Amino acid sequence: AQSVAQPEDQVNVAEGNPLTVKCTYSVSGNPYLFWYVQYPNRGLQFLLKYITGDNLVKGSYGFEAEFNKSQTSFHLKKPSALVSDSALYFCAVRLRMDSSYKLIFGSGTRLLVRP
Amino acid sequence: GAGVSQSPSNKVTEKGKDVELRCDPISGHTALYWYRQRLGQGLEFLIYFQGNSAPDKSGLPSDRFSAERTGESVSTLTIQRTQQEDSAVYLCASSQGTQETQYFGPGTRLLVL
Repeated sequence: AQSVAQPEDQVNVAEGNPLTVKCTYSVSGNPYLFWYVQYPNRGLQFLLKYITGDNLVKGSYGFEAEFNKSQTSFHLKKPSALVSDSALYFCAVRLRMDSSYKLIFGSGTRLLVRP
Repeated sequence: GAGVSQSPSNKVTEKGKDVELRCDPISGHTALYWYRQRLGQGLEFLIYFQGNSAPDKSGLPSDRFSAERTGESVSTLTIQRTQQEDSAVYLCASSQGTQETQYFGPGTRLLVL
């Protein structure tokens, strides 16, 4: 079965420090990979995606993610965290050959950036 | 332009009642998705519409759930005889094509008492 794992329920980091939010996936084919962010009482906002090409993908708000095929991972990173980055982050995968193109989501990781 | 909009933003209903949730996709987006987000969990796929093709209903949890879409515009998700376990945030997303990024609406928070 296709699945996405976000092993950390919460990540705590001090403002100005680098942050990493982990994501691993298990799919039977080549995936498209996504990160979304959810602020309180708001919908999901798209951050970045990996389709093909360069394994390092840059997205909104200074975030980036690295696709690692051998480790089946797509960790989200930012060199210097801001308090305003505190939110719920979701990793998602979509199969290239899935005719419905639906997204399969991880359970989410809450990022808390302290001043 | 305007993003995906959903209404109502909140809905409280009694067990056994029917509810209708509405989604207005981004103009020009041909694909539309419904997802459910239970408290503290990730999103679960419910149903997918693409143009005039038959919808993918594989994620609907029971026959109490149904959805319609008129052309490439508004979609309505209907839950009949609501149960307490239906309480969740229902999110709609649309994309320009099936292989494009999905953009999400703010969701409808449903509470079944």
